[in-house]
Order: sequence, then C-alpha cells, then structure tokens
Amino acid sequence: EAQVTQNPRYLITVTGKKLTVTCSQNMNHEYMSWYRQDPGLGLRQIYYSMNVEVTDKGDVPEGYKVSRKEKRNFPLILESPSPNQTSLYFCASKGRGAGQETQYFGPGTRLLVL
Amino acid sequence: AQTVTQSQPEMSVQEAETVTLSCTYDTSENNYYLFWYKQPPSRQMILVIRQEAYKQQNATENRFSVNFQKAAKSFSLKISDSQLGDTAMYFCAFMKHPSNFGNEKLTFGTGTRLTIIP
Repeated sequence: EAQVTQNPRYLITVTGKKLTVTCSQNMNHEYMSWYRQDPGLGLRQIYYSMNVEVTDKGDVPEGYKVSRKEKRNFPLILESPSPNQTSLYFCASKGRGAGQETQYFGPGTRLLVL
Repeated sequence: AQTVTQSQPEMSVQEAETVTLSCTYDTSENNYYLFWYKQPPSRQMILVIRQEAYKQQNATENRFSVNFQKAAKSFSLKISDSQLGDTAMYFCAFMKHPSNFGNEKLTFGTGTRLTIIP
C-alpha cells in the first residue's frame, strides 16, 4: 500500500530535550516536505527537500533541522524544543513530473513541549 | 507570495442537504493548482478534489464539485447530499505549477469546520 508513515504519532517532551520525528514514504517520491498545523493558522511549511541531499527552508524553519540521506526518509529534528513548537506535524511527499501534482500526507505527529 | 483565505471558520448543515464552502486566493501566477483537503477527527489529511488553473471545466468527484472562477480568484467546494462522514475540517490549498527547481509547497487557508447534523 502506497503510504507516508510518521513516528511517533504522539509525543510529550520537556523543553530542551532533543527529539526526532521520522517520516518515510514508499512511493519513490523525490519531493518531501514538513508542515506544522496550528489552530487558526492552517498548515505552514517548515522545510522541504527536492531530492536526496537537497533541502531548503520553508516558511517557518526556526528551531528545526532536517536531513535527506535516503530518498524514502526525511526526518525532522528539534534540537532544543520549546513550548512554542507544540503543534501537529505532517510529513508529505510528492512525485515530480506531469500528472504528479498531488501531495500525500502522513498521519500526523502531535507534539506537546512542556 | 500566495495567500489563501477561507472566510467561514465554521458551518453546519442538515444531513442530505447541500453546502458550499468558500475559498479565495491571491497570486500573480497564471498556472497553478488548487486543492480541497478534508481533515476528519482522525487528523488525517485527505485529498477531496483538485483543479488545474488552465482547465476551464470545473472538477467533480462524486458528491463533491468545485466552482472555479479564475478571474475572481475564487474556488468554492460544493458538497451535495451531505453525509455524517463529511463532518471534518476542510482546507483549501494553492500550489504553483511545478518547475524543475522551485519549491512545490502547498499554501493553505485557515480551514472551515463543517458539521453535518443528523
């Protein structure tokens, strides 16, 4: 089954404790992206990757890092989480080329930073 | 930069009725895609329907259809014969036509929470 998976689905942590949210897709998609969803703000892009070893900032990158060492994986790293990073996080992937305009989303990761 | 506006934070409708969700956007691009995503209580983001800007014909998917007015930069979603399972948050989203080097991000509106009343 074609899908994007994220782990963990729920996470409670404390300020300053490094964490990683994993994202993996099995559709051989070149493009991957992270979004955060906050009430009243919709979804906003954090980082994106056009392909392996090619990453760039989105609209709200402060406090986050990413890496893309393999095509299928795109982890999101919070090196020193703060309470304002409490949010719902989505990973998405997309093929490139004609007819591949749809982005496929993972199930989301709900993060609470105390 | 693109912006997407959903002016109806919440809506409710009786089961089996028709409801229309509004979306307007602002862009200087001529070629782009528009999407409606559904987010049920499970929080999963589910694609409902998409529209290519260069296609004049409005997209339809079963009970879901759009009214795309390019000149007015309007992209409304109509749900016919609404069902209890349609209860969800609905997001309108914009994407520039992909290029070889550009960011293919989705720009989202703030969402409309739709409740179908039994």
